[in-house]
Amino acid sequence: AQSVTQLDSQVPVFEEAPVELRCNYSSSVSVYLFWYVQYPNQGLQLLLKYLSGSTLVKGINGFEAEFNKSQTSFHLRKPSVHISDTAEYFCAVANYGGSQGNLIFGKGTKLSVKP
Amino acid sequence: KAGVTQTPRYLIKTRGQQVTLSCSPISGHRSVSWYQQTPGQGLQFLFEYFSETQRNKGNFPGRFSGRQFSNSRSEMNVSTLELGDSALYLCASSIGTAAETQYFGPGTRLLVL
Repeated sequence: AQSVTQLDSQVPVFEEAPVELRCNYSSSVSVYLFWYVQYPNQGLQLLLKYLSGSTLVKGINGFEAEFNKSQTSFHLRKPSVHISDTAEYFCAVANYGGSQGNLIFGKGTKLSVKP
Repeated sequence: KAGVTQTPRYLIKTRGQQVTLSCSPISGHRSVSWYQQTPGQGLQFLFEYFSETQRNKGNFPGRFSGRQFSNSRSEMNVSTLELGDSALYLCASSIGTAAETQYFGPGTRLLVL
């Protein structure tokens, strides 16, 4: 069975500071990896995804993530955060080559950016 | 292109009642997935429909059911509501393969009293 662990439930950070949100996964098969963001009272929006190829993936809003197969990690980073980045971030996996649906999500990390 | 729409946005029901939620996917998307989001359990997959057929199913009781119509619109039904069914129900649409991005609607917030 697959699982996703987001190591920090809350991350407070000051504006313009760098941030890293950690994600580890467990799976017996190859997976696709995703990061989604959820703003208050909204649905989820895709930040970036890793399917194959380069392990460094760049996404929207200046976010990037690095896939590390040996450590089964997919940490999300941003070099300088803004107040508007305050939101909840979810890491998710899906079976490689599988059908759609059945994204397995982590519990989420609430990023709070303070002025 | 219009995004994923869900109706209603908010709903209050009492225990024992049933409820039907609706999801209209992005035009051209044939896959619709449903998720339940609660503070305690997080985001959990309910089921996925593709071309009117249930293709994947999560670990939820039979009180939770769904269907998809020929225009890809989907409905989710919960019968005999329990207090623990209070949650944000999200639907997501996509083209249909695991590598494709799922586009989420704003959700329906269900409160069971």
